Amino acid sequence: GEDVEQSLFLSVREGDSSVINCTYTDSSSTYLYWYKQEPGAGLQLLTYIFSNMDMKQDQRLTVLLNKKDKHLSLRIADTQTGDSAIYFCAESGESSGSARQLTFGSGTQLTVLP
Amino acid sequence: DAGVIQSPRHEVTEMGQEVTLRCKPISGHDYLFWYRQTMMRGLELLIYFNNNVPIDDSGMPEDRFSAKMPNASFSTLKIQPSEPRDSAVYFCASSFPGSGNTIYFGEGSWLTVV
Repeated sequence: GEDVEQSLFLSVREGDSSVINCTYTDSSSTYLYWYKQEPGAGLQLLTYIFSNMDMKQDQRLTVLLNKKDKHLSLRIADTQTGDSAIYFCAESGESSGSARQLTFGSGTQLTVLP
Repeated sequence: DAGVIQSPRHEVTEMGQEVTLRCKPISGHDYLFWYRQTMMRGLELLIYFNNNVPIDDSGMPEDRFSAKMPNASFSTLKIQPSEPRDSAVYFCASSFPGSGNTIYFGEGSWLTVV
């Protein structure tokens, strides 16, 4: 089946930029997503990007998509302690059986150090 | 909007007991998903519905698991009999016929089977 891969852990200093990376295998992906999960909570949609875009910016968040390499990244500028959470990359595409189904990565635990 | 509402938030039950998890999707959303999250397996899609009809239940682990959606505003996931390996966080999510195929998650039901 289709696969989405992420590194498991990332630590950064408060105020620095964080870059969380993701690779996927489905060449027919239509949308790619970043979700955030805080302890004891559900997944919160941060942002998504359509596959015909290569960049999307939303305040402190910048998403970069390299469709040729099937690589997605999430950059968080001026990272704060409140950004500490697990970040999930996900994709949807026809290969998933339905454009509405998402395939999730394993999540990257971001730890922001004071 | 109130978001996806799940109940109970936490449940501890004894092995062999029946467990029923409930979900109210966001009004107007036509897709409903049940996910399970564990440390070992990450996020797994169990089943999803479109307009109250089950579309894909291939992720349901065994016959002990069943899900229903009697109307557009309510769904249940039932485990009978429950086993310790069913301990996990169960998320309900819904999506609407809009841009991005975005899926919105509930806060989850944290199940512990002892």
